[in-house]
Amino acid sequence: DTAVSQTPKYLVTQMGNDKSIKCEQNLGHDTMYWYKQDSKKFLKIMFSYNNKELIINETVPNRFSPNSPDNAHLNLHINSLELGDSAVYFCASSQDFEAPRLYEQFFGPGTRLTVL
Amino acid sequence: GQNIDQPTEMTATEGAIVQINCTYQTSGFNGLFWYQQHAGEAPTFLSYNVLDGLEEKGRFSSFLSRSKGYSYLLLKELQMKDSASYLCAVLDSNYQLIWGAGTKLIIKP
Repeated sequence: DTAVSQTPKYLVTQMGNDKSIKCEQNLGHDTMYWYKQDSKKFLKIMFSYNNKELIINETVPNRFSPNSPDNAHLNLHINSLELGDSAVYFCASSQDFEAPRLYEQFFGPGTRLTVL
Repeated sequence: GQNIDQPTEMTATEGAIVQINCTYQTSGFNGLFWYQQHAGEAPTFLSYNVLDGLEEKGRFSSFLSRSKGYSYLLLKELQMKDSASYLCAVLDSNYQLIWGAGTKLIIKP
């Protein structure tokens, strides 16, 4: 069974469009994350949600908005897509709390977004 | 600021041993993780160190020195499938995971 899943796996779209990426985890974890990995392969955290509350919001444009209907889902909506948004977006989850070892993050397969 | 440094790229020969270093400067420390990421795939967990010393797990070992802000990942008996990027990440005092840029390891026959 897939622990962390994302859809779609590939997304090709035109500049100016609005798109969403969905993420689901079946691990019963408390916290979920969105990362952006650019062409230089640097993993940059964008958001994290814990019990449906945003607890990290790095300096990302407000065109990006996370949405968490419940603990198992964290979706990412992007408005007015720009060329620079082209990257791989990873969803991840972790148990957190109790022991630091439980902050290990489990990643989804990634969504490769290409903006033309 | 918080900073994690790793070499950008390393090359090694199949069957050999390679050591990938990671140095960090973070606000507090609650452990250090190593992840492996094959091209086009998601990062996967390799190891976690919170105490000084060496943790061995099969062909992979991870070492930590908190006083030096230093860790390394040691890969023995290298196989072609070990060609991947290796990411170092530190859990800081706010329990945020700070990521290094990763080391791309190329294995040659």
